[in-house]
Amino acid sequence: GNSVTQMEGPVTLSEEAFLTINCTYTATGYPSLFWYVQYPGEGLQLLLKATKADDKGSNKGFEATYRKETTSFHLEKGSVQVSDSAVYFCALRGLWQGAQKLVFGQGTRLTINP
Amino acid sequence: NAGVTQTPKFRILKIGQSMTLQCAQDMNHNYMYWYRQDPGMGLKLIYYSVGAGITDKGEVPNGYNVSRSTTEDFPLRLELAAPSQTSVYFCASSRDKGSETQYFGPGTRLLVL
Repeated sequence: GNSVTQMEGPVTLSEEAFLTINCTYTATGYPSLFWYVQYPGEGLQLLLKATKADDKGSNKGFEATYRKETTSFHLEKGSVQVSDSAVYFCALRGLWQGAQKLVFGQGTRLTINP
Repeated sequence: NAGVTQTPKFRILKIGQSMTLQCAQDMNHNYMYWYRQDPGMGLKLIYYSVGAGITDKGEVPNGYNVSRSTTEDFPLRLELAAPSQTSVYFCASSRDKGSETQYFGPGTRLLVL
């Protein structure tokens, strides 16, 4: 079946550090891939997405590239800020019981220290 | 434009009690979803609805019921609460099955003791 695996958290970095959060997936076909972000006390928000192989999603300085050969969609940012502290979820959109569903990874908590 | 709203934000229940988690959206979305998020885990789909009057089970529906009498509202009912239902519950909506973006509410934290 469809599944998403993210790197274990929590992750703690200093401001302006480089960020990578790994995400790999298992799915039939070529699902759309997403990164959602959950800021403290809020619901999940779509951060970026990619709908086909080699697509790069980007938003707010974050990037992720859909790598079919490695079934990965790693999240990167060149210089993180304190305001990036949040929980990040990788997800894929695939068929489940005949309908399109989102399947989420377990989430990675990111803390940025000033 | 409020988006997706959920009430209450936090609730403590005793084992065997019942309650309804409220969810409403003002975006005229056809699709609505209920997820639960257990600590250190991803979101699991409980129930979903493709339109008013139509609901279907997700991955973990046991112990829950839903209804969808209007496009806007999608309440989740817990009957005979159990400690295993301690979780954070998120409601979400999307425009249609072709829409890849789901909009989430802020969540309801439920503790069953």
